Amino acid sequence: QSALTQPPSASGSPGQSVTISCTGTSSDVGGYNYVSWYQQHPGRAPKLVIYEVSERPSGVPDRFSGSKSGNTASLTVSGLQADDEADYFCSSYAGGNNVIFGGGTKLTVL
Amino acid sequence: QVQLQESGPGLVKPSETLSLTCTVSGDSMTIFYWTWIRQPPGKGLEWIGHIYGSGSTNYSPSLRSRATISIDTSKNQFSLKLNSVTAADTGVYYCARGRLWFGEWSQGTLVTVSS
Repeated sequence: QSALTQPPSASGSPGQSVTISCTGTSSDVGGYNYVSWYQQHPGRAPKLVIYEVSERPSGVPDRFSGSKSGNTASLTVSGLQADDEADYFCSSYAGGNNVIFGGGTKLTVL
Repeated sequence: QVQLQESGPGLVKPSETLSLTCTVSGDSMTIFYWTWIRQPPGKGLEWIGHIYGSGSTNYSPSLRSRATISIDTSKNQFSLKLNSVTAADTGVYYCARGRLWFGEWSQGTLVTVSS
């Protein structure tokens, strides 16, 4: 099982929207609605921001949204704020009780 | 609110066994999945495996031959053993709650494999 593919970097100005992609295969992202997204600030543990493709945990602002089309999932951060600058990782169920992660995307707020 | 805290040696010699324990507070362990995830320095996350409160386990195919996860619900702990470690096993190890997504994480502990 290979890691999911994410762009290494993304950027946007405060107030803008940024979308990060996460590409897998029909055996993981495309096969199940169990894509999740995590935000990780330097030196901190990851924080769940999206689960089951588009669901937001309690306390996560609605500026964070998720979607999926075919084998590619996307995380959109709207109304960018300085604190959104972090690494973002996607994850997907891959069948056989296995979970795989993406390589991560560093989001820079310009 | 559930809290997770891992403990164990921060330095392990090559070819030896890495052992970590995660102590859970604030919730019952028996009805959840408990997961180990690691992150090599400057790299992405890697799912190691999980255990259910009943004791059933699943492991990453790439680590299945070396990893063992166990649980002791009476102590509110679950553990990871990874044998025959090499430098490639160096990284921050996290314990987390969940099977398909992970809503609660420990703070992470750095384990370095070096002689």
